[in-house]
Amino acid sequence: AQKITQTQPGMFVQEKEAVTLDCTYDTSDPSYGLFWYKQPSSGEMIFLIYQGSYDQQNATEGRYSLNFQKARKSANLVISASQLGDSAMYFCAMREVLSSARQLTFGSGTQLTVLP
Amino acid sequence: EPEVTQTPSHQVTQMGQEVILRCVPISNHLYFYWYRQILGQKVEFLVSFYNNEISEKSEIFDDQFSVERPDGSNFTLKIRSTKLEDSAMYFCASSERGNRPQKQTGLFFGQGTRLTVV
Repeated sequence: AQKITQTQPGMFVQEKEAVTLDCTYDTSDPSYGLFWYKQPSSGEMIFLIYQGSYDQQNATEGRYSLNFQKARKSANLVISASQLGDSAMYFCAMREVLSSARQLTFGSGTQLTVLP
Repeated sequence: EPEVTQTPSHQVTQMGQEVILRCVPISNHLYFYWYRQILGQKVEFLVSFYNNEISEKSEIFDDQFSVERPDGSNFTLKIRSTKLEDSAMYFCASSERGNRPQKQTGLFFGQGTRLTVV
């Protein structure tokens, strides 16, 4: 079974609008972390935002916020006031803290295109 | 701002040749990782390294692969006999802590090495 599911292979948004990128996850580990990364066409992986499973509040970092719904096992990324430079691939990832594996498991990504 | 540095940015090699990909993790980080991304596909975990030994590895990380931390700063991935299917972007990453959720800051990735096997 997929641990991280990103159901939107591609998304379009108008510049200055907000956009939500979906991510659902599957784990039986009570302690885990959820991450979002941005990968522009140049290829590097840029860490955007982190949400811990025990965090009471949704994480925010500038124009990025994470809509964390634990019961639904979803961790959607919201980008407010989209800019042309936000056009990139976005990956959701999870780390299961108490399992023996400490690596990140990535979703398949969503290609976001911001339209002028 | 400290960053993970990878060299080279692009390597072309003949099938069957050995390649070494190099990484300098962030200096106070304790956990080191290699991931790869075949063009157009998801990022896949290869191996994690802590306290001078492999802590986890995936099924991709077979006997053709090895990792080493030869000194206090470098972290290398060696592929002994490259195959065409090893062509991918290889990312090194490091993190400050492995499994303390309240202190997690994510894995910080290098800019990647694009390996092309011909």
